[in-house]
Amino acid sequence: DGGITQSPKYLFRKEGQNVTLSCEQNLNHDAMYWYRQDPGQGLRLIYYSQIVNDFQKGDIAEGYSVSREKKESFPLTVTSAQKNPTAFYLCASTDGRSGANVLTFGAGSRLTVL
Amino acid sequence: DAKTTQPPSMDCAEGRAANLPCNHSTISGNEYVYWYRQIHSQGPQYIIHGLKNNETNEMASLIITEDRKSSTLILPHATLRDTAVYYCIVRVVGFKTIFGAGTRLFVKA
Repeated sequence: DGGITQSPKYLFRKEGQNVTLSCEQNLNHDAMYWYRQDPGQGLRLIYYSQIVNDFQKGDIAEGYSVSREKKESFPLTVTSAQKNPTAFYLCASTDGRSGANVLTFGAGSRLTVL
Repeated sequence: DAKTTQPPSMDCAEGRAANLPCNHSTISGNEYVYWYRQIHSQGPQYIIHGLKNNETNEMASLIITEDRKSSTLILPHATLRDTAVYYCIVRVVGFKTIFGAGTRLFVKA
């Protein structure tokens, strides 16, 4: 079945460490996204990528970095510059070619900074 | 800066229809209305979307008013597994989808 795979599901990090969250899709979607969700809150856009080797900052990009070397993969690095990284991170993708822009989400990665 | 207004929470009895309202008075003519839901600690799940006409699929129905300033998501026979946060979204800037706070639906036995 096609879908989005995020790993790891749970991750613990010490302060000052960089961590990378994996996101892989086999839907042949062009666009991919990273969202952050804090407890009881909605989703906030971190970065998005419309095509390979191109990406744009979302609303809360500071302290994060991404790459898009392959269509299927869009890893997110949470750097030590991110002051409050404990959150639930969601990766999503869209076809982008149809008029509607329906998002397919992964199951999420929960990052806790110790 | 979500363009939608939803009640923060609603209750529904199991087996009854759940009607979730959404106001989007500043919607543009080419903007779709989307609904997603998020069950606790999972990724959001797409439910339905529409532009002008009412839509129905195996999960739900979407009723959009004629002036397009509001819509209602209808879950015809709510079950306990429908307890979730439901997001109504109309703002799609290029490839950016912006989420608001949503409505927390509690389905009670």
